[in-house]
Amino acid sequence: GQQLNQSPQSMFIQEGEDVSMNCTSSSIFNTWLWYKQDPGEGPVLLIALYKAGELTSNGRLTAQFGITRKDSFLNISASIPSDVGIYFCAGQLNTGTASKLTFGTGTRLQVTL
Amino acid sequence: KAGVTQTPRYLIKTRGQQVTLSCSPISGHRSVSWYQQTPGQGLQFLFEYFSETQRNKGNFPGRFSGRQFSNSRSEMNVSTLELGDSALYLCASGYGTEAFFGQGTRLTVV
Repeated sequence: GQQLNQSPQSMFIQEGEDVSMNCTSSSIFNTWLWYKQDPGEGPVLLIALYKAGELTSNGRLTAQFGITRKDSFLNISASIPSDVGIYFCAGQLNTGTASKLTFGTGTRLQVTL
Repeated sequence: KAGVTQTPRYLIKTRGQQVTLSCSPISGHRSVSWYQQTPGQGLQFLFEYFSETQRNKGNFPGRFSGRQFSNSRSEMNVSTLELGDSALYLCASGYGTEAFFGQGTRLTVV
């Protein structure tokens, strides 16, 4: 099945550092979503982006919807130990529904003290 | 407000058997989607139900099926299980364009 290209695949950073990850697609999406998944749990929605060029923040998280609608990035500032987990981007083509998300390959984040 | 509830959390089945997984969406959400997560393929869309009708379907064989009830609860069925069906099956409850996931059902086929 299709997956979006997400990079980096994994990151090892120190507490307090900023983190940046991005997601690219060969297809256009109308909505980009960013999720975090902890071991043994389902993905938790972090940020939703609806318009090309949109920049949205949620606490220490900032995400942008690319102008071409084929990419998105997520930044985490001043990382803390609880930021550990796997981050997924997801693109959605159909407007007005929550259906058929196409997920990225994931970025595994490790935070050291 | 209760989240998305999936049952059971863990399941072990034998090849050739069939299995039914259940998902109760967030109250007021009428859309339920199912995803399969494996280390090799990542998160893959199975299907979506809205008001008891299948609205979208992913690229999975016919052994994978689902349904939705009038109270929006959904079930997913996999028949003639194969080893490769071992995965975390996630249900997402939708409102607008945002999907909220349950904790998943970990299915192991032996």
